Amino acid sequence: SQQGEEDPQALSIQEGENATMNCSYKTSINNLQWYRQNSGRGLVHLILIRSNEREKHSGRLRVTLDTSKKSSSLLITASRAADTASYFCAHLNNAGNMLTFGGGTRLMVKP
Amino acid sequence: DTEVTQTPKHLVMGMTNKKSLKCEQHMGHRAMYWYKQKAKKPPELMFVYSYEKLSINESVPSRFSPECPNSSLLNLHLHALQPEDSALYLCASSLGQGLQSQYFGPGTRLLVL
Repeated sequence: SQQGEEDPQALSIQEGENATMNCSYKTSINNLQWYRQNSGRGLVHLILIRSNEREKHSGRLRVTLDTSKKSSSLLITASRAADTASYFCAHLNNAGNMLTFGGGTRLMVKP
Repeated sequence: DTEVTQTPKHLVMGMTNKKSLKCEQHMGHRAMYWYKQKAKKPPELMFVYSYEKLSINESVPSRFSPECPNSSLLNLHLHALQPEDSALYLCASSLGQGLQSQYFGPGTRLLVL
C-alpha cells in the first residue's frame, strides 16, 4: 500500500495548547496537502506544500516538509474547541494523477 | 460558487436495488473524483474523471459504475451491492488532474442491508 502513516492516531489537548501531527509517506511526491474532516462530513483543504518547499504558514497553521525523511508535520497553534476534527495528510504522486491519504489524526480540543 | 454538492445525503438500499449517487460542481473544474471512506479510515480513491473521460479506475468492482454526463456532473451508479460496501462516498473536484488541491462534497452515507 502507498498509504502514508500519521501519528499520533489520536490527540487530546486543552484549548490554547498547540497540536502537532506528523505524517510519513513512501513514494516520491509532487506536493503534500493537509485536509481537515469534521465527523462524518466532507474534507476541507487546509494547506499545500510543494516538494521544493520546506515550511509554509497559513494563519494558525504551520506545515513543514522534509523530503529526505519523507515526512511532514502540521502544527496548529493556540488550539480552539472548534479545531476538533480528523486531520489527514495526502500526497500527490509524481505522475500527478493520484492523491493518497495518510491514516489520519483524530484531534480533540477540550474547552 | 465554490461548492461541491452531493445527493442524497443518506441512502439505504437492499442488495438487489439499483441506485445512483450524484455530484455537481460549478467551479469550472475539469477533474472529478469518487472516494470511498469507511469509519475511522482515510478516503480511498475509486475513480478519476479528467475532461469527462475516465482516467483512473482503482480496480473497483463492476457493481460500481461511474458516469460523467458533462463537465459539472458526476454520477455513481450502484447495483447489487454488498453490506461491506456501506460507507461514506465522497465526491471531489479540482481544476485539473494533479497538482491542485481538491474540493470535497459533504458525502453520501450509504447503508447496504
